[in-house]
Amino acid sequence: DSGVTQTPKHLITATGQRVTLRCSPRSGDLSVYWYQQSLDQGLQFLIQYYNGEERAKGNILERFSAQQFPDLHSELNLSSLELGDSALYFCASSVSSSGNTIYFGEGSWLTVV
Amino acid sequence: AQSVTQLGSHVSVSEGALVLLRCNYSSSVPPYLFWYVQYPNQGLQLLLKYTSAATLVKGINGFEAEFKKSETSFHLTKPSAHMSDAAEYFCAVSGSGGGADGLTFGKGTHLIIQP
Repeated sequence: DSGVTQTPKHLITATGQRVTLRCSPRSGDLSVYWYQQSLDQGLQFLIQYYNGEERAKGNILERFSAQQFPDLHSELNLSSLELGDSALYFCASSVSSSGNTIYFGEGSWLTVV
Repeated sequence: AQSVTQLGSHVSVSEGALVLLRCNYSSSVPPYLFWYVQYPNQGLQLLLKYTSAATLVKGINGFEAEFKKSETSFHLTKPSAHMSDAAEYFCAVSGSGGGADGLTFGKGTHLIIQP
């Protein structure tokens, strides 16, 4: 158990809908990362937050957004969903903003039908 | 910019044989390098991490990796494979110090253990 908690574990939704994925980082970790894992794209870094502020952006679509709240939990919002958004979405956390070990949650499986 | 190349999307070894998973990286700054393992239907678990201390890094489950700057490599090895080692293995690179960054992952190597 990495200490990173993600909900929901599985989610099935229709195209055009919006979903929210939730992440609680390890106790004491200030940095939260979101990754997308799909068969064709592999593991892709989406976005990073550190202590409530956005620190780095990767290959995140404009239809996707994220935020980190004062209690340090984070949410990833996916809107106008397309079939191609079906993937495993990982949240990860680390103590600080760079160079530290990043610990991963077990992921949220999103299926868009 | 950083990148990671894992040679071989699938590697098959016999139980008890040497495991060698290859990883080459590209980084404009001294890198932090990681190996993660993903078992079926699970998240990524850290195997080991290189942070510019010893070039030979020992990890969990008997795995180790050697950082070779001249070859820009960070290959993962295990002397004797177990059936329980069957999983997907990812090499990743992160820039050291300074600004924020996420990990850049390779495409993964699926390790198959033959009985």
